[in-house]
Amino acid sequence: AQRVTQPEKLLSVFKGAPVELKCNYSYSGSPELFWYVQYSRQRLQLLLRHISRESIKGFTADLNKGETSFHLKKPFAQEEDSAMYYCALRAGSGGSNYKLTFGKGTLLTVNP
Amino acid sequence: DTGVSQNPRHKITKRGQNVTFRCDPISEHNRLYWYRQTLGQGPEFLTYFQNEAQLEKSRLLSDRFSAERPKGSFSTLEIQRTEQGDSAMYLCASRRDSGNTEAFFGQGTRLTVV
Repeated sequence: AQRVTQPEKLLSVFKGAPVELKCNYSYSGSPELFWYVQYSRQRLQLLLRHISRESIKGFTADLNKGETSFHLKKPFAQEEDSAMYYCALRAGSGGSNYKLTFGKGTLLTVNP
Repeated sequence: DTGVSQNPRHKITKRGQNVTFRCDPISEHNRLYWYRQTLGQGPEFLTYFQNEAQLEKSRLLSDRFSAERPKGSFSTLEIQRTEQGDSAMYLCASRRDSGNTEAFFGQGTRLTVV
């Protein structure tokens, strides 16, 4: 079975400070990892995925298979980054339905 | 808005009543998913369609729940004899059929059972 753990329910930082949202996973196969974000009163949307290896809105995340982690990082947080962030796992090529398993989410608040 | 559309956005119902939600996916998306999200939790997978075929159902989907996608376009999720524990946000997502494509989510239907 696959599982995603986000240890922090709440994270509060000041504008300009670095931010790291933690995500750990357990899965016996080769996973695909994602970060989804939900801004206030908006729908859940994809922020980034590990296979893209790109930076979106200044956020990056590196898949560490040894530590089974996919932490989300941004060097300088902005107030508009305040949102709920969900880490999600999708079974690799063997999982043809491509369903997502989500963590419980971390609410990030960036204070002015 | 050409994204995934869900109706109604909110539904309040009395315990024991039946409710039905609708999801209209993005038009060229073959794959459609239903998730449920309760307070303080991330979305949890309920069921999945590829075109009109329902290919997987989670054990979370009791026999009071039924989902359909009759023509491979919109989908409905019906809950019979609702219970207070059914109160949640019900999310629909869709994606194209090929490879590592992104899943797009609707805004959800919030169900409150009183």
